[in-house]
Amino acid sequence: EAQVTQNPRYLITVTGKKLTVTCSQNMNHEYMSWYRQDPGLGLRQIYYSMNVEVTDKGDVPEGYKVSRKEKRNFPLILESPSPNQTSLYFCASSSRLAELSYEQYFGPGTRLTVT
Amino acid sequence: GESVGLHLPTLSVQEGDNSIINCAYSNSASDYFIWYKQESGKGPQFIIDIRSNMDKRQGQRVTVLLNKTVKHLSLQIAATQPGDSAVYFCAERALIQGAQKLVFGQGTRLTINP
Repeated sequence: EAQVTQNPRYLITVTGKKLTVTCSQNMNHEYMSWYRQDPGLGLRQIYYSMNVEVTDKGDVPEGYKVSRKEKRNFPLILESPSPNQTSLYFCASSSRLAELSYEQYFGPGTRLTVT
Repeated sequence: GESVGLHLPTLSVQEGDNSIINCAYSNSASDYFIWYKQESGKGPQFIIDIRSNMDKRQGQRVTVLLNKTVKHLSLQIAATQPGDSAVYFCAERALIQGAQKLVFGQGTRLTINP
């Protein structure tokens, strides 16, 4: 089954304690993204990756890091989480955005609370 | 379940009726549009897409209409079912600062009444 998995699904942590949210896809997609979803703001892109070892900033990259060492995995790292990073996070993968027909698969989401 | 938007526009329809969800997009150069469905506690799910050289596209029980003159997109769902209750949002593909990006709308919460 084609899917994007994220772990953990729920996380409560404290300010400053480094954390990693993992993302994995089994569709051999080149393009992967991280989004955060906040009430009234919709989905906002944090980082994206066009392929292995190729990453770039999205609209709201501050406070986040990513890596893409393998095609299937795209972890999101918060080196020093702060309360304003409390949000619902989604990982997504897809064929290349420039293709005529573009279907993006989203993971189930990670609800992060930073106290 | 997860709350994806506390102050979203809402639409309530009776089961079996048709529903129309609207979306205004911002970039006249956007060339591709997508509708997503997000159920409570889940990630967004692709429903249907349309390219800018089309004004209508039909899927199974869904139709997307594109009006480029007024930069408006709509999603019509025929014979709504309880499983259609979700947040629906559109996305446009636009060239921003030299890179193609997807820009998402905030969404509309659709509730199907029995």
